[in-house]
Amino acid sequence: GAVVSQHPSRVICKSGTSVKIECRSLDFQATTMFWYRQFPKQSLMLMATSNEGSKATYEQGVEKDKFLINHASLTLSTLTVTSAHPEDSSFYICSARDRLGYEQYFGPGTRLTVT
Amino acid sequence: QKEVEQNSGPLSVPEGAIASLNCTYSDRGSQSFFWYRQYSGKSPELIMSIYSNGDKEDGRFTAQLNKASQYVSLLIRDSQPSDSATYLCAVYLSGSARQLTFGSGTQLTVLP
Repeated sequence: GAVVSQHPSRVICKSGTSVKIECRSLDFQATTMFWYRQFPKQSLMLMATSNEGSKATYEQGVEKDKFLINHASLTLSTLTVTSAHPEDSSFYICSARDRLGYEQYFGPGTRLTVT
Repeated sequence: QKEVEQNSGPLSVPEGAIASLNCTYSDRGSQSFFWYRQYSGKSPELIMSIYSNGDKEDGRFTAQLNKASQYVSLLIRDSQPSDSATYLCAVYLSGSARQLTFGSGTQLTVLP
């Protein structure tokens, strides 16, 4: 299967700071990328969908000014959590799909802890 | 009714047995179906995709699709303790702009 990487795998930051998470498709062109959040023992929650070169589409209840998503190239999408607070602590996972494919591949995830 | 429904479990099977995981979906127009495995603390991993009615086999895994009954299942033969994980059923619902809808997952434990 296709490979998606994420960086960093784990980050601890202080409340009020911003954190950027990178998601890369390593062996295919990801025309569509997805960002999910998952709290312990809960289901995946889709935050936003981004198509290369377009603005991201955010799910209801997700603050677009707080979770900035950039999908500037076919292999890279970034999620920036601005002014992070302890309640933003979670497991953030990106996923990617190419133009023709139906299969969606997940990155390894980034565990964010806000102190 | 949830759009994609799975028994949350937990499901326990002895090592070497067949584990059967079930998923139903509400949208009759759905065409593409996937099974993901998620180990605790890790991200989901795609293990099977199925698009046509019938069975699809890959190693110890068999996916079964019955569109008339709106039912998709995953069988794991010769279950191993390393198969212990949460299994997520995912479906592209028609009109969803190709956005996967996930079930809540079934937690499987394979007992040595």
